[in-house]
Amino acid sequence: EPEVTQTPSHQVTQMGQEVILRCVPISNHLYFYWYRQILGQKVEFLVSFYNNEISEKSEIFDDQFSVERPDGSNFTLKIRSTKLEDSAMYFCASEGGRVSTDTQYFGPGTRLTVL
Amino acid sequence: DAKTTQPPSMDCAEGRAANLPCNHSTISGNEYVYWYRQIHSQGPQYIIHGLKNNETNEMASLIITEDRKSSTLILPHATLRDTAVYYCIVRAGGTSYGKLTFGQGTILTVHP
Repeated sequence: EPEVTQTPSHQVTQMGQEVILRCVPISNHLYFYWYRQILGQKVEFLVSFYNNEISEKSEIFDDQFSVERPDGSNFTLKIRSTKLEDSAMYFCASEGGRVSTDTQYFGPGTRLTVL
Repeated sequence: DAKTTQPPSMDCAEGRAANLPCNHSTISGNEYVYWYRQIHSQGPQYIIHGLKNNETNEMASLIITEDRKSSTLILPHATLRDTAVYYCIVRAGGTSYGKLTFGQGTILTVHP
């Protein structure tokens, strides 16, 4: 069964460093999303991406964040200068967008630890 | 998207049916009810969704009341592996491929 994959599973970085989280969505899906979950808190929406541009972003998704689909398979989230409060699980999701009752499928997540 | 209300926690005995309620009294006509679950800190796992008719798949059944203001997710024979946080989410259908808004969900604990 097709699934969303994410790499790395765990990323440790120093405050102020740039990180890139990678996702391979389900092939032939058209809509892509990033969510994050700080330990013990709710899953929060960050950004949605369609047709090579951001379709919606939350207040969390400030200028330090960017997303890109550099080729036909990868979808990346970049954090330019990490802060301690960026420590969280980051989940990628994708959706077909071909029918009106589509479903988002989530990857296993990347645990980001900022020291 | 409409807001949902779920009990914070529920218990269920292994092998019995788990019935998880959700209130979505402000749901509008084009909004679907989605259920996801999250085991530990894994990625949310899709379970089922519906608009107004009851739905069943290999994982669960979804019962939506006639007025669509509430729904119940039924896991017919709960196992220990069903222990998770269950999220009821309302999202517009049609061409609105938007974000999912997660609440706190219901922590379901399945006991031996």
